[in-house]
Amino acid sequence: NAGVTQTPKFRVLKTGQSMTLLCAQDMNHEYMYWYRQDPGMGLRLIHYSVGEGTTAKGEVPDGYNVSRLKKQNFLLGLESAAPSQTSVYFCASSYLSGGAGELFFGEGSRLTVL
Amino acid sequence: RKEVEQDPGPFNVPEGATVAFNCTYSNSASQSFFWYRQDCRKEPKLLMSVYSSGNEDGRFTAQLNRASQYISLLIRDSKLSDSATYLCVVNNARDMRFGAGTRLTVKP
Repeated sequence: NAGVTQTPKFRVLKTGQSMTLLCAQDMNHEYMYWYRQDPGMGLRLIHYSVGEGTTAKGEVPDGYNVSRLKKQNFLLGLESAAPSQTSVYFCASSYLSGGAGELFFGEGSRLTVL
Repeated sequence: RKEVEQDPGPFNVPEGATVAFNCTYSNSASQSFFWYRQDCRKEPKLLMSVYSSGNEDGRFTAQLNRASQYISLLIRDSKLSDSATYLCVVNNARDMRFGAGTRLTVKP
C-alpha cells in the first residue's frame, strides 16, 4: 500500500552540484506533479505531467527539469543547484486532471543547498 | 498579490472550541475548491472538497461564496488531534493553487 514514494527524503548539496529526485506511484495515475514548499509561500507547482512521455511547466519551473519515461515514475532534476532551491519538495499524483481529482502526495524530500 | 490568501494564524484554541478559517482567491475563473490538512513535517492530505451549496463532514463545514471569491472552513468541538496546518486549495482551470496555510493548535 505504498501510494506515492519519494527518494531521497533528505539531501544536502553544494552550490553547483546536480541531483535527481525520484517519485514513484503505484496507483496507475496518469497525472503527476512536482511542488516545492517554502515558509509563508504555500506549495508552488514546478512541473507536471499528464501522461507517460509528456511534461509541462508549472508556476516556478526555472532551474529544474523533469522526465516521465514510465507512467509510474516522475523524475525532478536540478542541473546546477543554487541556495534558492533549498526547500521541501513534494511529488503528487492524481487520477483526474487539474483540480478534478484528489492529489495524493509523497512524504516529501528536504533539500538543502549550501 | 498571491492568488490564494489565507490568514497564517496561528490560531490557539481550547478543546471543544469552534474555530473558523477564511480564504480568498483572486482568479474568478477558478472552478473547484478544497481544504487540505498538513501535519507538522508531513505531506498534505485532502480534508474535504468545497461545494457551491456548502457541505459538512462531521465536525467540519465548508462554505463557498463565488461572488466574493471566498472560502471558509468551520471546525466545531475542536479536538487535540485537529492541530495541524489547513491549506486552502483552488483549481484555476490549469492547475491547483495552494494558500500558505493557517496553523491551528488545539490545547487541553
